[in-house]
Amino acid sequence: NAGVTQTPKFRILKIGQSMTLQCTQDMNHNYMYWYRQDPGMGLKLIYYSVGAGITDKGEVPNGYNVSRSTTEDFPLRLELAAPSQTSVYFCASSYLDSSYNEQFFGPGTRLTVL
Amino acid sequence: KNEVEQSPQNLTAQEGEFITINCSYSVGISALHWLQQHPGGGIVSLFMLSSGKKKHGRLIATINIQEKHSSLHITASHPRDSAVYICAVKGGRDTDKLIFGTGTRLQVFP
Repeated sequence: NAGVTQTPKFRILKIGQSMTLQCTQDMNHNYMYWYRQDPGMGLKLIYYSVGAGITDKGEVPNGYNVSRSTTEDFPLRLELAAPSQTSVYFCASSYLDSSYNEQFFGPGTRLTVL
Repeated sequence: KNEVEQSPQNLTAQEGEFITINCSYSVGISALHWLQQHPGGGIVSLFMLSSGKKKHGRLIATINIQEKHSSLHITASHPRDSAVYICAVKGGRDTDKLIFGTGTRLQVFP
């Protein structure tokens, strides 16, 4: 199993550009998550999904959109990039609720918006 | 005040030392996770616990639900243990959201 894969690993965007961060998992996990990690801060949840076709906002959803058309894929879309979105983005998945299941993390995408 | 507080923020140790990292939280939880973030940035789950104690190799995690406190211990520390250790709690009510601490940066010197 490849686990959770993310592309790209690095990206530099100009203000106002858009991009999609890709996330795929091959563990048949129901739950998927997008987090951002800013220096000196804990991971913050952007969006999550409990299954195909179901998504919900996390703590910091503004400026982002997601979709979950398949169990495997959970892309994160930035429509109008802003410097405040400079961060490291992690995708994660778990079989079910994190009360009983560990989360598996992707390697991260380092995004810089200039 | 953050809902999840870790201490210390930074920790240095000599190889072989016993390490303790602490996590205190202020919300009711259904589970607590300990994660390790490698210098390259990758994050792996170490433990998930809701009561008592768990052990995996040289790592031990304990939790005291009444005191809202958890500890991560590393016995016979090694330079390869150098990483950021992150505590995260799963609240009881929300659909599936982990609240993360800011991490403890551990450096173990030979």
